Amino acid sequence: GAGVSQTPSNKVTEKGKYVELRCDPISGHTALYWYRQSLGQGPEFLIYFQGTGAADDSGLPNDRFFAVRPEGSVSTLKIQRTERGDSAVYLCASSLTGPDVGYTFGSGTRLTVV
Amino acid sequence: GENVEQHPSTLSVQEGDSAVIKCTYSDSASNYFPWYKQELGKGPQLIIDIRSNVGEKKDQRIAVTLNKTAKHFSLHITETQPEDSAVYFCAASKSNYQLIWGAGTKLIIKP
Repeated sequence: GAGVSQTPSNKVTEKGKYVELRCDPISGHTALYWYRQSLGQGPEFLIYFQGTGAADDSGLPNDRFFAVRPEGSVSTLKIQRTERGDSAVYLCASSLTGPDVGYTFGSGTRLTVV
Repeated sequence: GENVEQHPSTLSVQEGDSAVIKCTYSDSASNYFPWYKQELGKGPQLIIDIRSNVGEKKDQRIAVTLNKTAKHFSLHITETQPEDSAVYFCAASKSNYQLIWGAGTKLIIKP
């Protein structure tokens, strides 16, 4: 596609529910990144994929968070037993080959846990 | 770990004047310093970046300077225009992908 696409753009869920956030990277980009941005702050690194594998998942805050990229293109960020503190904008980015080139962000998914 | 501080948090300048945003970082091993512009409801957009082997880089009205000794880097925007109004973020990284971000600067261009 022309850019990084994230769906849904907004998600409201009840505390304790499970959510999935989807990212469609730019076609042909092998590297994919998830970040989380709270209001008034810079993004916070969550996980980096190179192809199908998670090259670095050290930013995932706890085991309620999990991400997959089974075919090396679309990625899904999964959050179990959501908490109010999970409310944030979840940003996805992709780059052509990897960390040595700049990457392109999507517009994000705004997650609100009520 | 790395810590990035960014100042000011809000900057208001007259259209046509210059704007300067400053960042400091703590980890001397950081070697990649990008700047992003974020408009309301959109993801951050890379506007310029610099690596530690370079002291200054320019792209039209935008320039970035890096002082490795002092661990400072700055964004300079000249001849500001209304469309420059946005939130600007600096970041630092050793790995290029795990960026550590500043808290952002809201730039307001007054007509």
